[in-house]
Amino acid sequence: KAGVTQTPRYLIKTRGQQVTLSCSPISGHRSVSWYQQTPGQGLQFLFEYFSETQRNKGNFPGRFSGRQFSNSRSEMNVSTLELGDSALYLCASSEQPLNTEAFFGQGTRLTVV
Amino acid sequence: DQQVKQNSPSLSVQEGRISILNCDYTNSMFDYFLWYKKYPAEGPTFLISISSIKDKNEDGRFTVFLNKSAKHLSLHIVPSQPGDSAVYFCAASLFGNEKLTFGTGTRLTIIP
Repeated sequence: KAGVTQTPRYLIKTRGQQVTLSCSPISGHRSVSWYQQTPGQGLQFLFEYFSETQRNKGNFPGRFSGRQFSNSRSEMNVSTLELGDSALYLCASSEQPLNTEAFFGQGTRLTVV
Repeated sequence: DQQVKQNSPSLSVQEGRISILNCDYTNSMFDYFLWYKKYPAEGPTFLISISSIKDKNEDGRFTVFLNKSAKHLSLHIVPSQPGDSAVYFCAASLFGNEKLTFGTGTRLTIIP
């Protein structure tokens, strides 16, 4: 069974640009969550989707958005990039919204210059 | 406001000895706790979890203890092995809420 797949693995963007990250969950998993990891901040919750609906959102500005498709794949978009958006973005999938055991992808390392 | 805290950023333990990683939380509504392990360039992998109705859960070399009155949980690894060297995150959630609140992580180094 394939794990959670995130693309791209690495990305370099300049300030002001926008970026789209992709996450393919484990087959059969319908819940996808996104997290941002920065040094000293740990993993911070961005948002969670289940059956194409955003069920929960973290404390991030509106520049961060996401969506989920009918095949459960999810995308995350960040507009008007800032230097502080440089981070590892992790996607996690689970069968149900209850995160009793979420499986993480390898992440996308975004660098904003 | 950091609701889940791991106050030790790093820990070094001799191979074969016990590793104890600690985690404190402030939100008494949390009722499910998890530990994740993360190697560089990889996503976190689930290790072990515990529900608030229990005070101990064991899985092989890994045991998690929960002290609800102290709002404290700990992960014990016995015996510690070199492959256990990684960053360990504790996480907490509210039942019915999908959001996991993570601590900042503890880097565990096992010394051969």
